Amino acid sequence: GQNIDQPTEMTATEGAIVQINCTYQTSGFNGLFWYQQHAGEAPTFLSYNVLDGLEEKGRFSSFLSRSKGYSYLLLKELQMKDSASYLCARDGGYNKLIFGAGTRLAVHP
Amino acid sequence: EPEVTQTPSHQVTQMGQEVILRCVPISNHLYFYWYRQILGQKVEFLVSFYNNEISEKSEIFDDQFSVERPDGSNFTLKIRSTKLEDSAMYFCASSEEREREQYFGPGTRLTVT
Repeated sequence: GQNIDQPTEMTATEGAIVQINCTYQTSGFNGLFWYQQHAGEAPTFLSYNVLDGLEEKGRFSSFLSRSKGYSYLLLKELQMKDSASYLCARDGGYNKLIFGAGTRLAVHP
Repeated sequence: EPEVTQTPSHQVTQMGQEVILRCVPISNHLYFYWYRQILGQKVEFLVSFYNNEISEKSEIFDDQFSVERPDGSNFTLKIRSTKLEDSAMYFCASSEEREREQYFGPGTRLTVT
């Protein structure tokens, strides 16, 4: 199966830290991506994990545990512009991306 | 910074008509994709394309759909006879290599009436 599960909605305060979790079925795993999507716009690439551990890129970090079928996206020093949907996607083979339904993050002052 | 472009941004068509959605991938990228997103739903894979042939396609990509790279820069998605349920945002994407990040174009909003 290719199920990807992530929370539907989250809220957080400007300046805070938020962690968005994603679980996926581990069979045939090739890599895990995180994308950001503002309403009415295209997904934009944030991170790619294929090995276990934490990848840090500025205010955003992504973690992967292949054995647990688990990833999270960590957003630090939240800004109002971070209000968006965050899409977890696995590489489903032949580089097709299988997306989760996305987590809609609302950042408030 | 190079980017994927798509035209038109919005296409309105009547049921049963043919539409062609156009994309210009990033110039040094070799892998090309189409995805769609029905309003309020998740992004869904349609097809991947490499070396002038389809690598993988989903169940959505039936005989009504086709892709083509007519020249060195364009990548097109054709829907032969549109249905109401084809109304969606269609995203083109490209990547430099396999198992690398895919860069998405701004999308074409297709409305079938």
